[in-house]
Amino acid sequence: QKEVEQDPGPLSVPEGAIVSLNCTYSNSAFQYFMWYRQYSRKGPELLMYTYSSGNKEDGRFTAQVDKSSKYISLFIRDSQPSDSATYLCAMGGTGFQKLVFGTGTRLLVSP
Amino acid sequence: EAQVTQNPRYLITVTGKKLTVTCSQNMNHEYMSWYRQDPGLGLRQIYYSMNVEVTDKGDVPEGYKVSRKEKRNFPLILESPSPNQTSLYFCASRRDRNQPQHFGDGTRLSIL
Repeated sequence: QKEVEQDPGPLSVPEGAIVSLNCTYSNSAFQYFMWYRQYSRKGPELLMYTYSSGNKEDGRFTAQVDKSSKYISLFIRDSQPSDSATYLCAMGGTGFQKLVFGTGTRLLVSP
Repeated sequence: EAQVTQNPRYLITVTGKKLTVTCSQNMNHEYMSWYRQDPGLGLRQIYYSMNVEVTDKGDVPEGYKVSRKEKRNFPLILESPSPNQTSLYFCASRRDRNQPQHFGDGTRLSIL
């Protein structure tokens, strides 16, 4: 079993839809949770960074962490074609020397 | 502009010919890392460095070397590249141990 599981997609939605992206994990030591967006031929770009459980909102993006279920989510409201990209979850323990990444979910938002 | 810069962005080479991929960051970050990204496997850490002259192995270090002689630079060296090292490589840096990584735009290596 992988430490972090993420559905590869692709996930296709129409413009304006609410998108839900998810990851599950097995290591209860993870405390830091991140979402990265990666466009084709570019490096991952940090979208959201949260510590422990709870919600964090930034514009159209909301990150949720449920440590009891070992489940994290990224919600995108009013999705735009420019949101079409691969979304990677990542996580680490306290003082983490490395991040463990999901394999990424490809999102396609059609006009 | 704060950034992580990798060179070259693309390289096609042959088995056994030594190569170096450079990485430089202008954010005065302590931590730097190298990752490779392969389909279905995601990002896997090759090596990381916590400061000048301090490096350690990640998950897939075989066939790679690194050095950290200056804070801003963290080159990745393939002494004798092989076709299984064909991949997309990313350098990343972060300010301290509990901060998220910032990535470069990647280097696509093809080893024939």
